[in-house]
Amino acid sequence: EAQVTQNPRYLITVTGKKLTVTCSQNMNHEYMSWYRQDPGLGLRQIYYSMNVEVTDKGDVPEGYKVSRKEKRNFPLILESPSPNQTSLYFCASSPGTLTTNEKLFFGSGTQLSVL
Amino acid sequence: SQQGEEDPQALSIQEGENATMNCSYKTSINNLQWYRQNSGRGLVHLILIRSNEREKHSGRLRVTLDTSKKSSSLLITASRAADTASYFCATEGNNRLAFGKGNQVVVIP
Repeated sequence: EAQVTQNPRYLITVTGKKLTVTCSQNMNHEYMSWYRQDPGLGLRQIYYSMNVEVTDKGDVPEGYKVSRKEKRNFPLILESPSPNQTSLYFCASSPGTLTTNEKLFFGSGTQLSVL
Repeated sequence: SQQGEEDPQALSIQEGENATMNCSYKTSINNLQWYRQNSGRGLVHLILIRSNEREKHSGRLRVTLDTSKKSSSLLITASRAADTASYFCATEGNNRLAFGKGNQVVVIP
């Protein structure tokens, strides 16, 4: 089944403890992206990648890192999580660049709580 | 960055009625997309309209785009209880999709 898989679904951690949220897609998509969703703020883009080894900052990249060493994987790394990073995170992918009118396929989300 | 803004923010309707949502944006776009989200789950793509299109249909969905007013509308006809969800517009520019804050629609059986 074609899908974007995020893990874990729920995560509770403490301030400063490094964590990684994994994202994998099995559709051979070029484009991948991370969003965070907060009440009243909608979805905001954290980072995106148009291809392997190519990553760019979105609107809210501070406190996050990403890597794209393989086409299928796009992990989100929080080196030193803080409570203001408590949020619902979504990974998404697209077959090609968005300027060619492609749509995004979303994962099921990761609810992160930083205490 | 570009961002769509939906209006109204919340809508409650009876099953069988039509639901209309509007979206406005600020800069030029390549396309505008609408997505649905059920109860905090992943967003699902509904429909895409290109900047050179004015109207598009998909099943019970009708989307219009007015680039001169920088606005779009999503119409869901003959709504069903299963249409209860949050609906987001998203504008594409510079290879990025910028999402609005979402519009909660409740369809009462």
